[in-house]
Amino acid sequence: DAKTTQPPSMDCAEGRAANLPCNHSTISGNEYVYWYRQIHSQGPQYIIHGLKNNETNEMASLIITEDRKSSTLILPHATLRDTAVYYCIVRVVLSNDYKLSFGAGTTVTVRA
Amino acid sequence: DTGVSQDPRHKITKRGQNVTFRCDPISEHNRLYWYRQTLGQGPEFLTYFQNEAQLEKSRLLSDRFSAERPKGSFSTLEIQRTEQGDSAMYLCASSFRTSDYTQYFGPGTRLTVL
Repeated sequence: DAKTTQPPSMDCAEGRAANLPCNHSTISGNEYVYWYRQIHSQGPQYIIHGLKNNETNEMASLIITEDRKSSTLILPHATLRDTAVYYCIVRVVLSNDYKLSFGAGTTVTVRA
Repeated sequence: DTGVSQDPRHKITKRGQNVTFRCDPISEHNRLYWYRQTLGQGPEFLTYFQNEAQLEKSRLLSDRFSAERPKGSFSTLEIQRTEQGDSAMYLCASSFRTSDYTQYFGPGTRLTVL
């Protein structure tokens, strides 16, 4: 079962930052927060992951609260090509926790 | 940098026929995963290989489904006697220790059973 809660949908204006929330109140100490996105009819695309520190890469930033019960994915300058379903997933790294449990995700629509 | 590739990208078949899909993981990735995604749902785990060994199968993988990874490189997923309920996107992913076993997905194979 998915261990995360995300809003079903959200809109964002092109060029503005998109802040995608995720609740994972039952996260364990050794579970990482992963974000993927899926553009229509394509395979899921890895975005970013983190344990407790904030992370940034060329695609996005991940902000994890100090108690690790929630996180926010930030797309700094949303473009129309960022329209996708975004999935927040928790998993244990470097173990036999092989299965990603995808929930319903957040459908993000970037509008011009 | 070559990502995960899947073939074919689309397959239309008649009910009762057998189909086989192929997945080529990222080079040197020792773990390979199969997922299935139906319309409007997130991907669901089917099975997982570490090298050539199939270590776990979901209860979603009925007796009509079989997956192999004979030499620890590419993998095949076969569905025998297809049913209309098998219509879905079949996704393959691969991972490796040096990337925290982050799973990288292929483009998927869209199966339509008529």
